[in-house]
Amino acid sequence: AAGVIQSPRHLIKEKRETATLKCYPIPRHDTVYWYQQGPGQDPQFLISFYEKMQSDKGSIPDRFSAQQFSDYHSELNMSSLELGDSALYFCASSLKGGRAGELFFGEGSRLTVL
Amino acid sequence: GNSVTQMEGPVTLSEEAFLTINCTYTATGYPSLFWYVQYPGEGLQLLLKATKADDKGSNKGFEATYRKETTSFHLEKGSVQVSDSAVYFCALVDYTGTASKLTFGTGTRLQVTL
Repeated sequence: AAGVIQSPRHLIKEKRETATLKCYPIPRHDTVYWYQQGPGQDPQFLISFYEKMQSDKGSIPDRFSAQQFSDYHSELNMSSLELGDSALYFCASSLKGGRAGELFFGEGSRLTVL
Repeated sequence: GNSVTQMEGPVTLSEEAFLTINCTYTATGYPSLFWYVQYPGEGLQLLLKATKADDKGSNKGFEATYRKETTSFHLEKGSVQVSDSAVYFCALVDYTGTASKLTFGTGTRLQVTL
């Protein structure tokens, strides 16, 4: 079965650079979520989109922005990168705004900021 | 706000030992409860879930029962294997507007030895 696809899987950037992560949800899923997991920490919710509109916002820095496109894929843009942004970034998708209560996660994009 | 509290790890067990990982939650309303597992270098995978009080989720020999009276969702397995070594996250879902987001516990690392 098709799963959530994230790209790139690994990314290395310098401080103050910009990075873009992409997420392709499971076909027919209409909701996308972004989570950040620092080393040894639990995943922290960043932002979510339902039917291409932002639906909820968590602890996402102002330097980050995200959107969901007409084909339901989503991109997380991170600017002025800091060392503390080094983390595993997960995308998840669900159907019908997550009312079924189950989120399907991608394998994550590991960002390293040097 | 919502929160999830898990027992701290790491938990080290011998193969075939009995496993319990405690999880308690605080939430308004009636959340759905989940256990996710993260194997080394991989993304989060849903292990089991329960959507209402007294429901029992089960998968791959793991079980957890939604106890509303004690606000708990403890994970158990009767006989662990080396392949169960991973980090286990307890989580709950609340419904905010048109989408839901997971609130995770801090994760419990399980190490199973021969």
